[in-house]
Amino acid sequence: GQNIDQPTEMTATEGAIVQINCTYQTSGFNGLFWYQQHAGEAPTFLSYNVLDGLEEKGRFSSFLSRSKGYSYLLLKELQMKDSASYLCAPRDSNYQLIWGAGTKLIIKP
Amino acid sequence: IAGITQAPTSQILAAGRRMTLRCTQDMRHNAMYWYRQDLGLGLRLIHYSNTAGTTGKGEVPDGYSVSRANTDDFPLTLASAVPSQTSVYFCASSERAGEGTGELFFGEGSRLTVL
Repeated sequence: GQNIDQPTEMTATEGAIVQINCTYQTSGFNGLFWYQQHAGEAPTFLSYNVLDGLEEKGRFSSFLSRSKGYSYLLLKELQMKDSASYLCAPRDSNYQLIWGAGTKLIIKP
Repeated sequence: IAGITQAPTSQILAAGRRMTLRCTQDMRHNAMYWYRQDLGLGLRLIHYSNTAGTTGKGEVPDGYSVSRANTDDFPLTLASAVPSQTSVYFCASSERAGEGTGELFFGEGSRLTVL
């Protein structure tokens, strides 16, 4: 079966760095997405990885290891507005996204 | 402002009633999707459409139907609502299905409560 595993909740301090891990098992693989979702709002696209390695985009970076079925999202210089849920979503052999339940990130001053 | 519009944003519905959630996009995207989001679960795909005139079943299609008469509109219909269909429904679109970044653009969601 297809499965996504990411922590339910994490807490971090403003200005710090946090890493959100995601492990996955899918039927085939065609890239992995990270989305951000603020409470009561729609998800918005953060990053996409299809090859192994690190993709950096400003304060956010995303890493992929296809052989390990593993990805992480790294958030630097945390700001209060980064308090949100972060959704890991690999894409399977049919190009359909398989969504994790998300990691709720709480930022404290 | 370009994007996806969903309606209604919120609705309380009696069990057994028929309900249509509307979704319109003005980005000329080929692919459109309907997801439901429930607490503690990931987004689950209900139905999708890779291009106008075609539709497909997702992970949880039972009790729902869709149509895609044109590029812009993708309504979701609950023929006879049941309490287990209480959820937040998101419509999304992408430029095309299949390869590429396939970034999804989401509507603001429709919160449906079935009593």
